[in-house]
Amino acid sequence: DAKTTQPTSMDCAEGRAANLPCNHSTISGNEYVYWYRQIHSQGPQYIIHGLKNNETNEMASLIITEDRKSSTLILPHATLRDTAVYYCIVRVLNTGGFKTIFGAGTRLFVKA
Amino acid sequence: NAGVTQTPKFRVLKTGQSMTLLCAQDMNHEYMYWYRQDPGMGLRLIHYSVGEGTTAKGEVPDGYNVSRLKKQNFLLGLESAAPSQTSVYFCASSPHPIQGGLDTQYFGPGTRLTVL
Repeated sequence: DAKTTQPTSMDCAEGRAANLPCNHSTISGNEYVYWYRQIHSQGPQYIIHGLKNNETNEMASLIITEDRKSSTLILPHATLRDTAVYYCIVRVLNTGGFKTIFGAGTRLFVKA
Repeated sequence: NAGVTQTPKFRVLKTGQSMTLLCAQDMNHEYMYWYRQDPGMGLRLIHYSVGEGTTAKGEVPDGYNVSRLKKQNFLLGLESAAPSQTSVYFCASSPHPIQGGLDTQYFGPGTRLTVL
């Protein structure tokens, strides 16, 4: 599975959009981009995933560049409860989650 | 649906003691996993199971054993605990791709283990 690079930490004002970048320059054609987050002391929570096209669900939007070497997770209106560590992961779909490798992630601080 | 539950939530052991962590899921998922998480690090996969009666090693299996006798349960054992095994342990489950739905993992709340 391809390796990902994320900033160590980011700040965001409450009510503003939080844009979390992820680089995955070695991603292969059949690898998906997944995002999870982990709120303090809890287990990770799935947010969104995508292959080529931009994706949106009730939690967030995922923007993937045309060359697929990077992506951005967007939380459109960040709240204090969105303070968490966000993990960007790339892996082949349907091979089983055991190939999921969680790196250090980005620690997002949402401030009032 | 309780989702994924873990027992116990906290535990303190002395070096050399043994214990078993229990993970249970009520979503009829085929795959189950055990991870450990240490300060400042992401999750590292210890062992996983792709179905009842099967187990396999992950990234950091040494010092741990697992069993999946029932589909809904995945047990993680420490035969002789060491201080290096002080960590937060997370269990997760995910559906087999044939079951459809999102290919995502559902995590339990974690078990905080301290080995003195």
